[in-house]
Amino acid sequence: NAGVTQTPKFQVLKTGQSMTLQCAQDMNHNSMYWYRQDPGMGLRLIYYSASEGTTDKGEVPNGYNVSRLNKREFSLRLESAAPSQTSVYFCASSEATYGYTFGSGTRLTVV
Amino acid sequence: GESVGLHLPTLSVQEGDNSIINCAYSNSASDYFIWYKQESGKGPQFIIDIRSNMDKRQGQRVTVLLNKTVKHLSLQIAATQPGDSAVYFCAENPDDYKLSFGAGTTVTVRA
Repeated sequence: NAGVTQTPKFQVLKTGQSMTLQCAQDMNHNSMYWYRQDPGMGLRLIYYSASEGTTDKGEVPNGYNVSRLNKREFSLRLESAAPSQTSVYFCASSEATYGYTFGSGTRLTVV
Repeated sequence: GESVGLHLPTLSVQEGDNSIINCAYSNSASDYFIWYKQESGKGPQFIIDIRSNMDKRQGQRVTVLLNKTVKHLSLQIAATQPGDSAVYFCAENPDDYKLSFGAGTTVTVRA
C-alpha cells in the first residue's frame, strides 16, 4: 500500500522555468491537497480538490495552478518559478477533512 | 486572520518523562482537531484526533485534551522515547475539506 506518492523528491529550477509536481494516491480518497512548508510557518494550503472534477484556491494560490487529472492524481504546476517558491511541497489526500495522509514531499529550490 | 498556533516552538524532554505540547486556536467554528508528527525529511503523520463534542481522547501513549472554553488543545506523550523526537503540529478545520496548521513545536528527547 503506497499511500500518497509524490514525484520528484528534489528539484532545482532557474527563475522563470516551469515544472509540474506530480501526486498520486491509491486509497480511493475523494479529496486531495497541495501544501507548502516553509521554516517557522507550518503548512499552508495552496490548492485543494474536494472531489474529482473540482479544484479550489487555498491560502497561498498565487503563482500556481493545479489539475485533478482523475480520482487518483492531483498535479501542481509552477508556470514561471520564482525564488519565493523555494519550499517543501506536500501533497495529501483524505476522505472529507478527516485523517489526511501526506506524501513524503518535494524539496524545490529556485535559483 | 484566525489561525492555529502553538505556545512554544521548542521543547526539550528527558527520556522517560511525560511531554506536554500545547496549542491555542482562535476559530470557534472549528469542530475537529488533529495532531500530526513530522520527522526530519518526511511528511506529517497522523497521531490522534478529537471532535469538539469531546474533551479528552486517548491513544497508545498519547492523550489529546480539548478545552473549548479557552480554545486550547494539548498533546500529552507518556514515557517519551528517542523516537518521539520530531516536530508536532496541531491542526483545525475552520471549514469543510480544509485543515489549518499551526507553526509546530520541535520536541527533542534527551538521553
